[in-house]
Amino acid sequence: RKEVEQDPGPFNVPEGATVAFNCTYSNSASQSFFWYRQDCRKEPKLLMSVYSSGNEDGRFTAQLNRASQYISLLIRDSKLSDSATYLCVPATHGGYNKLIFGAGTRLAVHP
Amino acid sequence: SQTIHQWPATLVQPVGSPLSLECTVEGTSNPNLYWYRQAAGRGLQLLFYSVGIGQISSEVPQNLSASRPQDRQFILSSKKLLLSDSGFYLCAWSPGQQSGYTFGSGTRLTVV
Repeated sequence: RKEVEQDPGPFNVPEGATVAFNCTYSNSASQSFFWYRQDCRKEPKLLMSVYSSGNEDGRFTAQLNRASQYISLLIRDSKLSDSATYLCVPATHGGYNKLIFGAGTRLAVHP
Repeated sequence: SQTIHQWPATLVQPVGSPLSLECTVEGTSNPNLYWYRQAAGRGLQLLFYSVGIGQISSEVPQNLSASRPQDRQFILSSKKLLLSDSGFYLCAWSPGQQSGYTFGSGTRLTVV
């Protein structure tokens, strides 16, 4: 089983739509979780950190279900500028704070 | 505030040539440092990480090496590049446990 599994997409949605991405992880010891967004040919940028059951930041809501090893990201009122690849990133802990990056889910928002 | 610098932005190198990519972090001390590679259309692969000066750990065996000569400097090197070394190389730092990474702007390497 892969350490991180995400639907690669693409998710094609109109502006204003609500879209949700799902992510499952295999390491039950993961304690911290992050959502990154990566624009085409750019570096990933941190979108949200998730340390407990969930987190909300404006139009973005992340939810964590530790029992099912499942994380989701909900984007409300999609904007054209939300078009990017979204990476679900669980962290394992040890001396070096290792983050596991999957290939991500691609979102395309159209007018 | 903390910043991370990575250069060059793009690089075209012939097979068999050496490589040196540099990454520096400002505004923090004793950061955890990481080198990742991303092949086209793929996820990020962790290459090396370092928790202190002179300390390097390798995640996968390959044609590359890393060094950390100073607290906030991380260097990725190769003596002889292979075609398979082409990719998007990203340096990142984190302050420690339970922290997300901040990435540099990356180097797009094409080996020809």
